Amino acid sequence: KAGVTQTPRYLIKTRGQQVTLSCSPISGHRSVSWYQQTPGQGLQFLFEYFSETQRNKGNFPGRFSGRQFSNSRSEMNVSTLELGDSALYLCASTPGLAGAAETQYFGPGTRLLVL
Amino acid sequence: GENVEQHPSTLSVQEGDSAVIKCTYSDSASNYFPWYKQELGKGPQLIIDIRSNVGEKKDQRIAVTLNKTAKHFSLHITETQPEDSAVYFCAAGRDYKLSFGAGTTVTVRA
Repeated sequence: KAGVTQTPRYLIKTRGQQVTLSCSPISGHRSVSWYQQTPGQGLQFLFEYFSETQRNKGNFPGRFSGRQFSNSRSEMNVSTLELGDSALYLCASTPGLAGAAETQYFGPGTRLLVL
Repeated sequence: GENVEQHPSTLSVQEGDSAVIKCTYSDSASNYFPWYKQELGKGPQLIIDIRSNVGEKKDQRIAVTLNKTAKHFSLHITETQPEDSAVYFCAAGRDYKLSFGAGTTVTVRA
């Protein structure tokens, strides 16, 4: 079974621009979560989508948004980029059906550099 | 929200020795505790996990223990090998959200 894929793998943007990142979950998984990883803050939860609905949200400003499509693929968008948005953005997928927390399978990440 | 603390931040061990990483969590409702290994340029990979109804779990050279009363859990790696060198993250969660520790950089000296 193919793993979680993320595109692009690397991205360079300038301050004020916006960016869209894409994540394709493992086949059959319906939940996609997004995380931001930085050396200073570690892995921080952004949001989680299930069946095209945002089910959970972390403490990030409204510049960070996401969506999920009917095939479970997900995109996240960051508008008005700031230097501090430079990070590795990871997505993770799970089947999304259990009442308890499930094992999350991570993709390789998209490394975003904001200049 | 959940707060997970992880210690130590760096750990250097001689090949063949054991490595122990400890984490504490704050939300008593958390019921799932995975450990991830992250190698350079890759996303985190699950190495072992434990749920709140289990006190200990072992998988070959890796074991995890959970003390729900004290709200702490630990990762034990025995007979360390050079390929065990990586960053290890603990996490605690419930429902559909995980909170991660800051990570431990493990270096295994040959």
